[in-house]
Amino acid sequence: AQSVTQLGSHVSVSEGALVLLRCNYSSSVPPYLFWYVQYPNQGLQLLLKYTSAATLVKGINGFEAEFKKSETSFHLTKPSAHMSDAAEYFCAVSDEAAGNKLTFGGGTRVLVKP
Amino acid sequence: KAGVTQTPRYLIKTRGQQVTLSCSPISGHRSVSWYQQTPGQGLQFLFEYFSETQRNKGNFPGRFSGRQFSNSRSEMNVSTLELGDSALYLCASRPGLAGADTQYFGPGTRLTVL
Repeated sequence: AQSVTQLGSHVSVSEGALVLLRCNYSSSVPPYLFWYVQYPNQGLQLLLKYTSAATLVKGINGFEAEFKKSETSFHLTKPSAHMSDAAEYFCAVSDEAAGNKLTFGGGTRVLVKP
Repeated sequence: KAGVTQTPRYLIKTRGQQVTLSCSPISGHRSVSWYQQTPGQGLQFLFEYFSETQRNKGNFPGRFSGRQFSNSRSEMNVSTLELGDSALYLCASRPGLAGADTQYFGPGTRLTVL
C-alpha cells in the first residue's frame, strides 16, 4: 500500500531563508509524486509533480523538488522564503496499484517570520 | 478555463440529517474525486468517478455515496450525519485516470454537524 510521511507538522523560517519540507513515500510500484499548497479557506493548488521524467522538478513560485529513489524521498525546497509562502503544504503519492488515487501526507504548516 | 466549483461553500446540519454536496469539474475533465479533510485524519480519499462509474473507493462507511452525471458533474451524499462528519469536503477533477494526470481541486465545502 502506498503511504506518505511528512517530517514536521510545523516549520518556522525567516523571510529570505531556505525553505526545506521533507517528504518520504512508500510505494510498491513506480510512483507519481505531487506537492500541493493550501492557503486558509481554500482548496489545494499544485506546486509541482514528478512523473518519471527529470528527477529535479521545478514548480511554481520558485519551488523545486528532487526525486531520490534510493531514499524514497521527494523533499520540497525554495531558496528564499517570502511572506506569501506561509501556508500548509502537502506531499502526495499515486500509483497504479492503488488505482491512481492520491494518498496525502499529514501536511506541514509553514510560518514565515519577518 | 473556469476551475473546479463546489456548492455550497458552507453547510450547517444536525445529527441524523442527510446532505448533498455538488461539484462541477473543469470543462473537458471526465474524472471527479472526492476527499475529506479533517484536523485529526488529514486528507482522505472518498471515491472517484469517471464516465458516470465509480472507479475507486476509499475506506468510508456506506453512509457516504456519490454519483456522476453525463456532463461529468458529481454529487456526494452523506446520510445519517454524525458529529465526526464535520469536515472540509474537497472535490478534484482531472482529464482521465492516468496516474500522471494532475488533480485540480475546488475550494471545498465546509460541513458542520451540530
